[in-house]
Amino acid sequence: DQQVKQNSPSLSVQEGRISILNCDYTNSMFDYFLWYKKYPAEGPTFLISISSIKDKNEDGRFTVFLNKSAKHLSLHIVPSQPGDSAVYFCAASDNYGQNFVFGPGTRLSVLP
Amino acid sequence: DTEVTQTPKHLVMGMTNKKSLKCEQHMGHRAMYWYKQKAKKPPELMFVYSYEKLSINESVPSRFSPECPNSSLLNLHLHALQPEDSALYLCASSQVPGMASPLHFGNGTRLTVT
Repeated sequence: DQQVKQNSPSLSVQEGRISILNCDYTNSMFDYFLWYKKYPAEGPTFLISISSIKDKNEDGRFTVFLNKSAKHLSLHIVPSQPGDSAVYFCAASDNYGQNFVFGPGTRLSVLP
Repeated sequence: DTEVTQTPKHLVMGMTNKKSLKCEQHMGHRAMYWYKQKAKKPPELMFVYSYEKLSINESVPSRFSPECPNSSLLNLHLHALQPEDSALYLCASSQVPGMASPLHFGNGTRLTVT
């Protein structure tokens, strides 16, 4: 049973436009959420996090939105750049932050 | 450059071999993790060490044996593995056990069991 879902396996976006990646979760104990980017042959790179006391967190081109009642979060990348092309994973944990569960990932392609 | 260093980058081993994967971090993090990632799948948690003590073991077979010699080092000892254990093994660390903070990953060891 997948506790963290990313229902879009892939997404293509034009350079300069907005990329929106979505993530849904089922476990109401999850309190802390993260987004990672992964290039081939590298480990996941941390992008941005959000805890359940917030509904938005912003860091440069990356913004994460959390809708706790809908158990849904999204990552917005504006503007998208070709270097953003990678697999993006959503991850969640309870507030003890040790048992992280990852979603299956979304492959983002940013087209020049 | 990643601040979590894993060696070796690639490892090929037979089913009767014994080998070890190594992980090192110098960020002062006190939680360290082993994850396993199969192709086109998300990382799956194997073990968590908090303050050098094993705190989470996700029902991993005993042919995988973790060790945390000190706060900077994490090892994964491998013995009698099966071909289905072939995967990318990722080490990660985070700041303080019990407080939500992001995981920082190494680049992984690509393991092939023949």
